[in-house]
Amino acid sequence: DAGVTQSPTHLIKTRGQQVTLRCSPKSGHDTVSWYQQALGQGPQFIFQYYEEEERQRGNFPDRFSGHQFPNYSSELNVNALLLGDSALYLCASSWGQSNQPQHFGDGTRLSIL
Amino acid sequence: AQTVTQSQPEMSVQEAETVTLSCTYDTSENNYYLFWYKQPPSRQMILVIRQEAYKQQNATENRFSVNFQKAAKSFSLKISDSQLGDTAMYFCAFQQGGGNKLTFGTGTQLKVEL
Repeated sequence: DAGVTQSPTHLIKTRGQQVTLRCSPKSGHDTVSWYQQALGQGPQFIFQYYEEEERQRGNFPDRFSGHQFPNYSSELNVNALLLGDSALYLCASSWGQSNQPQHFGDGTRLSIL
Repeated sequence: AQTVTQSQPEMSVQEAETVTLSCTYDTSENNYYLFWYKQPPSRQMILVIRQEAYKQQNATENRFSVNFQKAAKSFSLKISDSQLGDTAMYFCAFQQGGGNKLTFGTGTQLKVEL
C-alpha cells in the first residue's frame, strides 16, 4: 500500500523561473493539501484540492496555483520564483475534504538561487 | 484566525524516561481537532495522535498520550518510556471543524539521549 509520493525530491531553480511539483496521494485518498515549510518553521497551508477543485486557500499569492487530476494526483505550480520561495514543500492526502487524518509525503526541497 | 504556540524550542530526555511537550492554541471555534505530528530528519511528517475537541477523554496511542484542557486551550503531549527513535521535531497542529487546513506551531526539537 503506497503512501503519499512526491516528485522530485530536490529541485534548484533561479529567480523568475517557474516550477511544477507533483504529488500522488495515498491509495484510497481523494483529497490533497499542499504546505510550505521554511527552514526551522512549521508548515504553512497553501491550498487544498478535492474533486478537482480548490476548496480552501491559505495566505499565498496568486503565483501559487494548483491542479488535481481525475486520478486524485495533484500538481503545485509556482510562477516568478522569489528567493523567499526556497522551502520544503509538503503534500498531504486524506479521504474526504474535512477533518480526516492527513498523511504526508517526504516533500520536495526547492532551492532558489 | 487560529494560532498555535509551542513555547519549548528544544527539549532533551533520557532514554526510558517520560517527557511532556507543551502546546497552547487560540480559537473562538467550538468544533475543532488537535494533532501532534512528528518530523524526523527524514522529513516525513508522521501523525502521532489526534484529539477531537468534543471528546473529554484524552487520546492515547501506545506510549503517547495527551492532556487536553479545553477551557485553558492547552494540548500537551506526554511520551512515556522514551526511545532513541523518538528523537525528532514535534509539531502541534489545529484543524477547524468542517475543513482540512492544519495550522501548525513552530515545533519542539526533542532529543532522546542514552
